[in-house]
Amino acid sequence: QSVLTQPPSVSGAPGQRVTISCSGSNSNIGAGFSVHWYQQLPGTAPKLVLLDDTTRPSGVPGRFSASRSGTSASLAIAGLQAEDEADYYCQSYDMSLSGTYVFGTGTRVTVL
Amino acid sequence: QVQLVQSGGGLVNPGGSLRLSCTASGFTFVHFYMVWIRQSPGKGLEWIAHISSTGKHIFYTDSLKGRITISRDNAENSVSLQMESLREDDTAVYYCVRGPMVGGVVENEALDFWGHGTVVSVTS
Repeated sequence: QSVLTQPPSVSGAPGQRVTISCSGSNSNIGAGFSVHWYQQLPGTAPKLVLLDDTTRPSGVPGRFSASRSGTSASLAIAGLQAEDEADYYCQSYDMSLSGTYVFGTGTRVTVL
Repeated sequence: QVQLVQSGGGLVNPGGSLRLSCTASGFTFVHFYMVWIRQSPGKGLEWIAHISSTGKHIFYTDSLKGRITISRDNAENSVSLQMESLREDDTAVYYCVRGPMVGGVVENEALDFWGHGTVVSVTS
């Protein structure tokens, strides 16, 4: 049911930089709707870590950043830390599906 | 601080019904849309419904339309999700989420606060 595609997993050693891609289409990201990113630690509810394409909510470390281009977006985590090990989801809005919020397929980040 | 406390959920037989509730605090409830999101075991996140601040505008995912009803009580700062004719593939964790603020661009607002989630297990 997810209309935004993410890689199933990415991994990196502590201190490294990892990126997560989020591929959409012209009815969601490509239409200009904002992209938001959520972090889900094991057994917990998702937490917003980036909103409006590039904005970090208060309390989110500066090592989290995001960008977008065309029908895609990406999340980058610089200086990877053990506490960053989690599932990450992108989210946008899709105008082709009776107007709905859509999520990415999710990416598991593993810290080696 | 913003809190969304969920209740309801549990074990139900296929074909049964369930009502999920969510009580909000720490913000002006009547100023925000409210959203329900679910996550099936081992799966990703799925938007299922949202309701405007006044309750006048309601949206459902097509796959659940006719089996779910979202409602809110602004006097009680609560939002509910009534689910009927439950199937085994409705088994999931259901999250109550704060949606867009009135006056914002609904399509572009993030889902900034999430409840703890409540488990719905549909099994015979």
